[in-house]
Amino acid sequence: SQQGEEDPQALSIQEGENATMNCSYKTSINNLQWYRQNSGRGLVHLILIRSNEREKHSGRLRVTLDTSKKSSSLLITASRAADTASYFCATVTEYGNKLVFGAGTILRVKS
Amino acid sequence: GAGVSQSPRYKVAKRGQDVALRCDPISGHVSLFWYQQALGQGPEFLTYFQNEAQLDKSGLPSDRFFAERPEGSVSTLKIQRTQQEDSAVYLCASSLVRVYNEQFFGPGTRLTVL
Repeated sequence: SQQGEEDPQALSIQEGENATMNCSYKTSINNLQWYRQNSGRGLVHLILIRSNEREKHSGRLRVTLDTSKKSSSLLITASRAADTASYFCATVTEYGNKLVFGAGTILRVKS
Repeated sequence: GAGVSQSPRYKVAKRGQDVALRCDPISGHVSLFWYQQALGQGPEFLTYFQNEAQLDKSGLPSDRFFAERPEGSVSTLKIQRTQQEDSAVYLCASSLVRVYNEQFFGPGTRLTVL
């Protein structure tokens, strides 16, 4: 069974707009990671945020983590058509040894 | 190596056949993981190796699934007597040291059981 849920399930925006995806999870975590998956390709790691961190940036990506609400958000600024993909959050529990993925958000960026 | 590689990329099997899926992790990566991804879903954990030791196989759905990594590098996921519900993409991932780090995924093997 999957740990987290992403919201929304699908998102369609125009190029240049910002995209925000949310993730909720159920148990205490060591860290939370975001991955991108293009159609027919493998997963690519985007960013990792540890349980003692609240915000992290990487290029056009901004991730927040609220451990009291057991939730995270991924913001992609100034989106491009190439950002079209499925985005997954994945958690590693405190003493865990695996990634537990949510069901993902499908992002479509229209040019 | 450039990244994690998997073979074959596509496999069609008749129900009841045995299949073997191969994963070549990034050289030097200690940890190796197998995941199963159904259509429209996120990947689900199957099993985890640290070097040649299989430390967690809690995600394997039945005793028809077996994984090995005998020399601590290449890994094989074997499915015996395949069933239609085994149809999925099987993803392999490796990480440098421990599970808390980011994982590097291969392109996956799409298994279709007829």
